[in-house]
Amino acid sequence: GAVVSQHPSRVICKSGTSVKIECRSLDFQATTMFWYRQFPKKSLMLMATSNEGSKATYEQGVEKDKFLINHASLTLSTLTVTSAHPEDSSFYICSALFSRNEKLFFGSGTQLSVL
Amino acid sequence: GEDVEQSLFLSVREGDSSVINCTYTDSSSTYLYWYKQEPGAGLQLLTYIFSNMDMKQDQRLTVLLNKKDKHLSLRIADTQTGDSAIYFCAESKKTGFQKLVFGTGTRLLVSP
Repeated sequence: GAVVSQHPSRVICKSGTSVKIECRSLDFQATTMFWYRQFPKKSLMLMATSNEGSKATYEQGVEKDKFLINHASLTLSTLTVTSAHPEDSSFYICSALFSRNEKLFFGSGTQLSVL
Repeated sequence: GEDVEQSLFLSVREGDSSVINCTYTDSSSTYLYWYKQEPGAGLQLLTYIFSNMDMKQDQRLTVLLNKKDKHLSLRIADTQTGDSAIYFCAESKKTGFQKLVFGTGTRLLVSP
């Protein structure tokens, strides 16, 4: 089956630094990828839709200048958490849409801890 | 409250049946899904049901949908230790799998 690789799986950083998370579709091209965030005991929430070659579409309440999304190729989308603060500590997960059958394939997630 | 709600934990013994419940608020949901996440892996689609169905069975999995009460359940028969994982309920309004709204996930622990 289709594989989506997400890296890193866990990152700890200092407050004020930026963190980049990568999401790669390994054996298919994905024009659309999605980024989600989950706070403890809360739902997995869609943050943004990443479209190859164009600007990402952000969900209401998600700051686009805070969470920079780049989808420069058909197999890679990146999420950069800029000037991270402790309240950004969360589980981030990506998914890639396999357009042939419109199925979603998920990465394994990134646990971000900001000290 | 959340748009899609699930209990956070469920513990069962190997061989028993597990029932994971989910409630949702949006009556216009078209598709309802169950995803499984094993440790260190991505979410994997287990099964899904159209909103005009009330039951779907797939081997050990049975999905029940009560559209009136906006209640979805996943029953796993003869639960095995390998079924231990986090199970996410999700809904979408569009055809296909885009723009999913997820629940919190239910952590299922199966003890021998």
